[in-house]
Amino acid sequence: DGGITQSPKYLFRKEGQNVTLSCEQNLNHDAMYWYRQDPGQGLRLIYYSQIVNDFQKGDIAEGYSVSREKKESFPLTVTSAQKNPTAFYLCASSILLAGAGTDTQYFGPGTRLTVL
Amino acid sequence: AQTVTQSQPEMSVQEAETVTLSCTYDTSESDYYLFWYKQPPSRQMILVIRQEAYKQQNATENRFSVNFQKAAKSFSLKISDSQLGDAAMYFCAYRGSGGSNYKLTFGKGTLLTVNP
Repeated sequence: DGGITQSPKYLFRKEGQNVTLSCEQNLNHDAMYWYRQDPGQGLRLIYYSQIVNDFQKGDIAEGYSVSREKKESFPLTVTSAQKNPTAFYLCASSILLAGAGTDTQYFGPGTRLTVL
Repeated sequence: AQTVTQSQPEMSVQEAETVTLSCTYDTSESDYYLFWYKQPPSRQMILVIRQEAYKQQNATENRFSVNFQKAAKSFSLKISDSQLGDAAMYFCAYRGSGGSNYKLTFGKGTLLTVNP
C-alpha cells in the first residue's frame, strides 16, 4: 500500500517539552511538507523540503524544527519555543516536475497535538 | 501575496441535489494551479479536483466539476447528485508557478452538510 503515514495520531505534551511528530511516505516523492491547521482556519505551511538534507521555512516556522535525512522521512519537532502548539498537524508530499516545479500534494492522516 | 477566499462558511444540500461552493483568489501570476480538497470528519485531506490555469476547459471528476473564471479569479466547485459521504469541510487552494510553486495557500473552508 503506497501512502503517507503520520504517528502518533494523538499526542499530549506538557509545557516546556519538545515533541517530535513522525511523517513517512513510500510514494517515492521528492518533496515533503508540514502544515498546521487551527479551528476555523485553512492550513498554514511550517516547513518544506524538496531534496534530502535540504529544507526551507514556510510561513510559520518559529518554534519548529525539521530534518530530512532520508527521502522517505520528514519528522517535525515542536519545541518549547512554540508559544501555542495545540493544533492539528498535517504532512504532505509531492513529486518534483522537471522544469515545472512540484506536482499535486497528497496528505497524511494528521497528528492532533495537545499541550496540557 | 496570494490570498484565497471562501465566502460561505457553511452550506447544506439535500441528498441527490446539486450544490456549488464558491472560491475567489487574488494573484498577479498568469500561470498557477487551483485545487479543491475535502476534509471529512477523519480529518484526512483528500484531493477532489485540480485545475491548471492555462487550460480553458473546466476540470471534471465524476460528480465533481469546477467553473473556472480566470478573468474574474473565481474557482467554484459543483457537486452533482450529492451523497451523504460528501459531507465534509471543503478547502480551496492555490499554488503558484515559478518561485512560489512549492506552497499551497488555502482558504478557510466551507462546511458542507448533506441532509437525507
